[in-house]
Amino acid sequence: DAGVIQSPRHEVTEMGQEVTLRCKPISGHDYLFWYRQTMMRGLELLIYFNNNVPIDDSGMPEDRFSAKMPNASFSTLKIQPSEPRDSAVYFCASSRGEGTYSPLHFGNGTRLTVT
Amino acid sequence: DQQVKQNSPSLSVQEGRISILNCDYTNSMFDYFLWYKKYPAEGPTFLISISSIKDKNEDGRFTVFLNKSAKHLSLHIVPSQPGDSAVYFCAATVDQTGANNLFFGTGTRLTVIP
Repeated sequence: DAGVIQSPRHEVTEMGQEVTLRCKPISGHDYLFWYRQTMMRGLELLIYFNNNVPIDDSGMPEDRFSAKMPNASFSTLKIQPSEPRDSAVYFCASSRGEGTYSPLHFGNGTRLTVT
Repeated sequence: DQQVKQNSPSLSVQEGRISILNCDYTNSMFDYFLWYKKYPAEGPTFLISISSIKDKNEDGRFTVFLNKSAKHLSLHIVPSQPGDSAVYFCAATVDQTGANNLFFGTGTRLTVIP
C-alpha cells in the first residue's frame, strides 16, 4: 500500500494568499484526520472525518481554515487568507474505524511557511 | 489546554543502555494509549499501544507501562540503538466512544549516542 499521500511537501507563500493542502488516505480507511504540528503545542487535531462527513472541527483555529472531503480518496485543507502564524507542518492521517482501536497512519506532512 | 503532557523535550542515552520516556495525562476518560515515533521529514509512525485494562505491554525491545492511578505512562527501550534516535510522541484516546481521534503530547527527542 502506498500509505497516506500528502501534497505539496513544502509550500511557501505570502501573507494573505490562499493555501490548499491535499491528502489521499489509505484505501479502505474510513477516518481521516488533519493535524498541525508546532514546537509549542506538538500535534494538534484540527478536524476529522468519518465516511467523508466532518465529525469534529472544534480544533480548527478560526474561520480562515476550512476542510473538505468530497470523496473517500481525497481531502483538502484550505487557509484563506494565510498569516505568518499559520506556519507549521500539517499532517493528514487515516485509520479504520471498526473493531478494536486502529492506530492512525500519517502522511509525510506539508511544511507551510507564510512570510 | 494540553491533556497529554511530555515534560522532557529531550533525552540522551548511551547505546545499549535503557531509554525511559515519560508521559502524563489529565483526562481520566482516556482508555487507550499509544506511542508514535517520528523521524525528520516523515510522518509519525505507530510504535506500541496499551489498553487501560492492562498495566504493561511488551513488543521486542519496547515496553509501555501504564499507571492509571497516577495518570502516567512510560516507554522503555532496552537496549537502545542509534536507529532509535527520533522524536517520540505519547497519545491517548477515549476508545469506548469510537471517535478514534488521538490527543498527542508535545514529544520527546531521543538521541542514542553510539
